[in-house]
Amino acid sequence: GAVVSQHPSWVICKSGTSVKIECRSLDFQATTMFWYRQFPKQSLMLMATSNEGSKATYEQGVEKDKFLINHASLTLSTLTVTSAHPEDSSFYICSATPLTGVKTQYFGPGTRLLVL
Amino acid sequence: DAKTTQPTSMDCAEGRAANLPCNHSTISGNEYVYWYRQIHSQGPQYIIHGLKNNETNEMASLIITEDRKSSTLILPHATLRDTAVYYCISTLNFGNEKLTFGTGTRLTIIP
Repeated sequence: GAVVSQHPSWVICKSGTSVKIECRSLDFQATTMFWYRQFPKQSLMLMATSNEGSKATYEQGVEKDKFLINHASLTLSTLTVTSAHPEDSSFYICSATPLTGVKTQYFGPGTRLLVL
Repeated sequence: DAKTTQPTSMDCAEGRAANLPCNHSTISGNEYVYWYRQIHSQGPQYIIHGLKNNETNEMASLIITEDRKSSTLILPHATLRDTAVYYCISTLNFGNEKLTFGTGTRLTIIP
């Protein structure tokens, strides 16, 4: 139980294009989902907290107009990297907390983005 | 979230118990201790969490000192697949709190 999936698992795009990453909780509902970013040899850094049906809360230094988050249902959140640039190349990871049961965040497998 | 301190790296022989320490001397009374691990190029995996009492599950045991200022994660019989970065995080237990990941402990299991 408590499985979180992400799609795609990796993506390569040209500079200036937009990329959408999906995060799904497969066997539970989650009102809150989180988006993290991890650069090589560094730890995870929280980008934003996403609540179903409301606007996401972004961490300081994260541009909300560049990283668009949509949390349309209790099982799906999307992160769109708009006008991607090479410095946006990173490992993007989402997590979700179940409505019931153990109160912990379950993480997706991550999406590796490479912007050329 | 209270700040946690962990050793940067540790080695452990395969088949032996791996004991990973964590200091959280400023932890507040209602903050839990959570452990996650991240195997290379994967998302973090939840291991275990606790408040005051020692906890055990199918993956590991968590020993929390009586003053709650430190804890130890124990992997009873380490295998090569346990090689990962282990993160100790103290946080409230409402489920919607953001997690602050430190640098963690890079555990290498030696054959």
